[in-house]
Amino acid sequence: AQSVAQPEDQVNVAEGNPLTVKCTYSVSGNPYLFWYVQYPNRGLQFLLKYITGDNLVKGSYGFEAEFNKSQTSFHLKKPSALVSDSALYFCAVRRDSGYSTLTFGKGTMLLVSP
Amino acid sequence: DGGITQSPKYLFRKEGQNVTLSCEQNLNHDAMYWYRQDPGQGLRLIYYSQIVNDFQKGDIAEGYSVSREKKESFPLTVTSAQKNPTAFYLCASSTPSGRYNEQFFGPGTRLTVL
Repeated sequence: AQSVAQPEDQVNVAEGNPLTVKCTYSVSGNPYLFWYVQYPNRGLQFLLKYITGDNLVKGSYGFEAEFNKSQTSFHLKKPSALVSDSALYFCAVRRDSGYSTLTFGKGTMLLVSP
Repeated sequence: DGGITQSPKYLFRKEGQNVTLSCEQNLNHDAMYWYRQDPGQGLRLIYYSQIVNDFQKGDIAEGYSVSREKKESFPLTVTSAQKNPTAFYLCASSTPSGRYNEQFFGPGTRLTVL
């Protein structure tokens, strides 16, 4: 079985400050990891993914994520938050062998204050 | 929201009625998925299809049915057997040949039972 934990329901940060949205995972074998963002009443938009290689992955809109195998984590980061980054963020995982569907975390609401 | 369309955007159902949600994609993707989103629960997989004329149950398939007669289309029927259908429904597609490929999401359909 595979699972994703997003331990924070909500993260609050001031505009211009760095932000981190946490994600830990459990999967048999090696993981493929994804981050998506959702704005109100919209579908999910892909931000970035980790497949293999460099542990620091860069994605859309200035976001990046760091894969840490020993801590089974894939935290989303951005050096300087914007008010427009306020949205719901989902982490997702699937294993790298065989066929498996994508398992999503419950989501973390990011609120960036002016 | 890419090349995936969902209709209608809002749908109201009376008790005991079946309703069908439309999902169409022009991305030439083989795989398609239906998710249900409830507040605080993230995305849960209802059904998925890797190729035309084939589909598999996801984690919460009870009370739902699907068909995949065309590559571009993957409609979801919410039957009267689904006891709590009020939710936001998301359709997605991807190329299954690479498990590392991200899924593309439609804009969603919000279903409300009256």
